[in-house]
Amino acid sequence: EAQVTQNPRYLITVTGKKLTVTCSQNMNHEYMSWYRQDPGLGLRQIYYSMNVEVTDKGDVPEGYKVSRKEKRNFPLILESPSPNQTSLYFCASSPTGANYGYTFGSGTRLTVV
Amino acid sequence: AQSVSQHNHHVILSEAASLELGCNYSYGGTVNLFWYVQYPGQHLQLLLKYFSGDPLVKGIKGFEAEFIKSKFSFNLRKPSVQWSDTAEYFCAVGYGGSQGNLIFGKGTKLSVKP
Repeated sequence: EAQVTQNPRYLITVTGKKLTVTCSQNMNHEYMSWYRQDPGLGLRQIYYSMNVEVTDKGDVPEGYKVSRKEKRNFPLILESPSPNQTSLYFCASSPTGANYGYTFGSGTRLTVV
Repeated sequence: AQSVSQHNHHVILSEAASLELGCNYSYGGTVNLFWYVQYPGQHLQLLLKYFSGDPLVKGIKGFEAEFIKSKFSFNLRKPSVQWSDTAEYFCAVGYGGSQGNLIFGKGTKLSVKP
């Protein structure tokens, strides 16, 4: 089944403790992206990647890192999480570019206390 | 900056009522248009999309949308909603070159009363 797989689905952590949210897609998509979703603010893009070893900042990149060492994987790294990063995170992928629409992962609900 | 506006923040309907959710965008060039649905506690799923051709697009679960270029609009419609349509609906506009960009509206929450 074609899908984007995110792990974990739920995560509670403490301020400052590094964490990684994994994302993997099995559709051979070139373009991958991370979004956060907050009430009243909609979806905001954190980082995106146009292909292996090519990443760039989205609208809200502060406090996040990403890497794209393989085409299928696009992990999101929070080096020192803070409470304002409590949010619902979605990974998404697209065959060639964002303007062709996304397949979304199931989401990761992160709480930083 | 490009923007996508969804006019209604929260719509409450009774079952069998007709639905129309508004979406307007600001970009004047060629666009790809999408509606996504997010059921409670779930991820976004594609309802329908428009790239070119017939401006009236039919999607899954009886939804359709009409692209009106002169009005920069892509409104979502359904003739008769069901309780199971309770969800949040997001309009998105894709534009730009080879990789392009996808801008989401802030979403419209639909509550359908049984």
